[in-house]
Amino acid sequence: EPEVTQTPSHQVTQMGQEVILRCVPISNHLYFYWYRQILGQKVEFLVSFYNNEISEKSEIFDDQFSVERPDGSNFTLKIRSTKLEDSAMYFCAIRQATEKLFFGSGTQLSVL
Amino acid sequence: GESVGLHLPTLSVQEGDNSIINCAYSNSASDYFIWYKQESGKGPQFIIDIRSNMDKRQGQRVTVLLNKTVKHLSLQIAATQPGDSAVYFCAESGNQGGKLIFGQGTELSVKP
Repeated sequence: EPEVTQTPSHQVTQMGQEVILRCVPISNHLYFYWYRQILGQKVEFLVSFYNNEISEKSEIFDDQFSVERPDGSNFTLKIRSTKLEDSAMYFCAIRQATEKLFFGSGTQLSVL
Repeated sequence: GESVGLHLPTLSVQEGDNSIINCAYSNSASDYFIWYKQESGKGPQFIIDIRSNMDKRQGQRVTVLLNKTVKHLSLQIAATQPGDSAVYFCAESGNQGGKLIFGQGTELSVKP
């Protein structure tokens, strides 16, 4: 199973601050995804990224969110001005040739 | 619209018994289905998947059944063990981008 490392495991920030969540897939993959999970709720799709551009995004992924692969390896999710309701577990996922998505262990974001 | 949901939020079984976790989906265009296991504080872990051209697929101690007529998916776990205690999510996909839509989740509790 492909390994997906996410950093940090926990992030605490003040409302209005910018945060960057990082994902490091160990090997090359075709598709990259960000999902989030608010405590006790289901896993929600945020964005998919293919060939260095966004291929699909959800309504949650508004102008405050952005993604990029700055060095061809790391895959980042940036939230420009965090809100209280952004508090959630954020998961990076990758996909190879099949439809299976493999998830990282997540970053727990707490906005105070 | 697209939605995937679960019939029961919690399921409690005795160790050694078989478990059945159910899932209903509404998008008849979905052609790929997948079950994930999520332990506390971790990311979703792949269990088993099935394409819409099949109605049954077996893995190690797990079986997924797909009934496209009633848009129903189930996960059967044989000889349930304490280590199977987790939240189980079904997810479905119907587009090239591979975005998965998750259901609400069922919490499986295994009593010794």
